[in-house]
Amino acid sequence: KQEVTQIPAALSVPEGENLVLNCSFTDSAIYNLQWFRQDPGKGLTSLLLIQSSQREQTSGRLNASLDKSSGRSTLYIAASQPGDSATYLCAVHTGANSKLTFGKGITLSVRP
Amino acid sequence: GAVVSQHPSWVICKSGTSVKIECRSLDFQATTMFWYRQFPKQSLMLMATSNEGSKATYEQGVEKDKFLINHASLTLSTLTVTSAHPEDSSFYICSARDRRTADYTFGSGTRLTVV
Repeated sequence: KQEVTQIPAALSVPEGENLVLNCSFTDSAIYNLQWFRQDPGKGLTSLLLIQSSQREQTSGRLNASLDKSSGRSTLYIAASQPGDSATYLCAVHTGANSKLTFGKGITLSVRP
Repeated sequence: GAVVSQHPSWVICKSGTSVKIECRSLDFQATTMFWYRQFPKQSLMLMATSNEGSKATYEQGVEKDKFLINHASLTLSTLTVTSAHPEDSSFYICSARDRRTADYTFGSGTRLTVV
């Protein structure tokens, strides 16, 4: 059974800092991995999708990497801003039934 | 980009009543839709997977007679919480998988409070 872990559960940084959010998964047989952002009381917004054959994806100040063999992914946020404050969820897609398995998320707070 | 409309965004109901939540893909067809439940500070837990025109597949521990799912068309799935109780209070989120691109798009969620 696939398990996704995100540590720490919460993170607080000053504005402008570069930061890395970690995600690990137990079953390396994945189709892809996806990073989402969730604002309080809201749905999920997809940030980056990395296919199992890819090593990384970039979008603006965000860069996500994938090391499938070690079961790890990182989300790098450059020059963090207060508007980046949200919960970041990592999810892996495994199995032919298209299920996504989510981590518990990391709640990020960027202080002005 | 792809949009999934989910409503209502919040609902308060009395214990024992039923509540219906709609999830609609606005500009794409979704052969598969997923319903999740999220408790505070917890991850999304998959409740069921629905395929257009067939019965939903429920995850272990989810009561199918309590959480009725209908996926009557390629753009609409509904979740009905029957005989709701306070312990059903939660945040429910749907997701639709694009028939053409296989991408997932999430709805904005529904906050259900049962009093």
